[in-house]
Amino acid sequence: EDKVVQSPLSLVVHEGDTVTLNCSYEVTNFRSLLWYKQEKKAPTFLFMLTSSGIEKKSGRLSSILDKKELFSILNITATQTGDSAVYLCAVPGSVTAGKLIFGQGTTLQVKP
Amino acid sequence: KAGVTQTPRYLIKTRGQQVTLSCSPISGHRSVSWYQQTPGQGLQFLFEYFSETQRNKGNFPGRFSGRQFSNSRSEMNVSTLELGDSALYLCASSLSQTNTGELFFGEGSRLTVL
Repeated sequence: EDKVVQSPLSLVVHEGDTVTLNCSYEVTNFRSLLWYKQEKKAPTFLFMLTSSGIEKKSGRLSSILDKKELFSILNITATQTGDSAVYLCAVPGSVTAGKLIFGQGTTLQVKP
Repeated sequence: KAGVTQTPRYLIKTRGQQVTLSCSPISGHRSVSWYQQTPGQGLQFLFEYFSETQRNKGNFPGRFSGRQFSNSRSEMNVSTLELGDSALYLCASSLSQTNTGELFFGEGSRLTVL
């Protein structure tokens, strides 16, 4: 069965710290791995990683995909209070790509 | 370009009642999917619609149903509400059926069942 596991489930850091969020997955037909950020309501898209794009970077956020070991990490450097959110990792299901399998999420709190 | 719009944003129901939630996707998006989010279970897939056809359904009881209209707008219905149905219901749209996962989410409908 398709599965996504994130760790840690929650994390408290101070502004300026660097954090690493982990996501491991099991899916029969891998298409992509996605990271979303959810602050209040709607998850917003951060990155999509595929076989042809295993590393992505946007400002202080970066992500890599290890297809051999079946995991991805999301790095946030120089954290700010605005980075406080739930970070969700997801993969499209094996049977239908439209069904995203989400991990439990990592709740990040950045203290001033 | 308007985002995904969900209505109502908040609602309170009592056990046994039914509820209908609405979702208008981004213009041009033909695929709509629904997710239930609870603190304990996280985000769980409910259904996916493309061109008025349900393409996939999650592991939810038959009390949960949905449909999609010709203009791609979608509704989901929950009948005989239970306390455990209290959740944030998120709708997401994407351009195509065979997307590789980039979904655009609405802000959700927060359902409280008393």
